[in-house]
Amino acid sequence: DAKTTQPPSMDCAEGRAANLPCNHSTISGNEYVYWYRQIHSQGPQYIIHGLKNNETNEMASLIITEDRKSSTLILPHATLRDTAVYYCIVSLGGGSTLGRLYFGRGTQLTVWP
Amino acid sequence: SAVISQKPSRDICQRGTSLTIQCQVDSQVTMMFWYRQQPGQSLTLIATANQGSEATYESGFVIDKFPISRPNLTFSTLTVSNMSPEDSSIYLCSVAGQVGGTEAFFGQGTRLTVV
Repeated sequence: DAKTTQPPSMDCAEGRAANLPCNHSTISGNEYVYWYRQIHSQGPQYIIHGLKNNETNEMASLIITEDRKSSTLILPHATLRDTAVYYCIVSLGGGSTLGRLYFGRGTQLTVWP
Repeated sequence: SAVISQKPSRDICQRGTSLTIQCQVDSQVTMMFWYRQQPGQSLTLIATANQGSEATYESGFVIDKFPISRPNLTFSTLTVSNMSPEDSSIYLCSVAGQVGGTEAFFGQGTRLTVV
């Protein structure tokens, strides 16, 4: 079962930052927070993951609260190509669980011109 | 990264028939998985395809309906058996476990319509 809660939809102006929240209040100490996105008619794409420290890569930043019960994915300069469903997933992140992902309903992000 | 090829990309099938979906990866991976995405829904994990042994199915999915093969580290098949219109979905292959890898990669999916 998915252990996360996300708003069903959000929108953002092109060029602005998109901040996507996720609640995971029952996360265990050894579980990671993963973010994937699914652009229409494509397979999901990995974005970023973290355990307790904030993380940044070329696609996005991940901010995890100190109590680890929630996180925010930040797309710093959203483009029209970032329109997609964004999934926040909690997973042990290693061994056989790396690909065993339990998706919630995600957040449909729409970036408008 | 991993490049995943799924065949067919789409198909329309008659109820009562079976369809086998192929998943080919461009590198050896330890883990392969099959997901289903029903229309307008999120992804649901069907099973883990284990090399050299029977697949591990998630609750609600059974081998008789979704037999899976995994003959080597780069290839797997999923069969949807005795299809009904409720099986109309996108079926996706996923892989993980490359050396140094920290995420899963997904194929583009097979869009199945059962009529």
